[in-house]
Amino acid sequence: NAGVMQNPRHLVRRRGQEARLRCSPVKGHSHVYWYRQLPEEGLKFMVYLQKENIIDESGMPKERFSAEFPKEGPSILRIQQVVRGDSAAYFCASSPRTPYNSPLHFGNGTRLTVT
Amino acid sequence: TQLLEQSPQFLSIQEGENLTVYCNSSSVFSSLQWYRQEPGEGPVLLVTVVTGGEVKKLKRLTFQFGDARKDSSLHITAAQPGDTGLYLCAGGGNNQGGKLIFGQGTELSVKP
Repeated sequence: NAGVMQNPRHLVRRRGQEARLRCSPVKGHSHVYWYRQLPEEGLKFMVYLQKENIIDESGMPKERFSAEFPKEGPSILRIQQVVRGDSAAYFCASSPRTPYNSPLHFGNGTRLTVT
Repeated sequence: TQLLEQSPQFLSIQEGENLTVYCNSSSVFSSLQWYRQEPGEGPVLLVTVVTGGEVKKLKRLTFQFGDARKDSSLHITAAQPGDTGLYLCAGGGNNQGGKLIFGQGTELSVKP
């Protein structure tokens, strides 16, 4: 089985541009999570989605950031009008159930650099 | 805000030494997971503990969940250079609304 696939692996954007990060979960997994990681730090929760629904977006800034997990296709994390402080590694993870009953399967992340 | 505090944040030891990493919180978790992350990759699950007082062993790694399910520890015996990486604890449960909360990680370096 293919694991969680994230693309692109590296993304460079200038200030003010849009960044679109894609995540294809493990086949059959309906729970998707996005986390952000700064160098030498842990993972900060951003958003939790199930198919077509946002379950918890408490960790995602209200402005400029949005996420979706459509019925068909990958989950998308979208950052509009990027600023230098958005530079980080963004990790997507999936699970077949809520993760305290099952582990999270992580992708290898998208490293966003804003110049 | 629910926090998981890991200590130490950085640890540099010689091959063959033992070490313990701690993960503490004021919140109760239904389960606590430990992950290991290598540079340029996503975290990979090592173990899940769900019962207060539970102890799990994975070769030279021993994981313990506190009796009150608020804390956990990871003990590595006779560390090897291949153990080098970022170790992350993560807690989940009804109080966390279905998501996992991660600690800030412990960066371990094992020198030959």
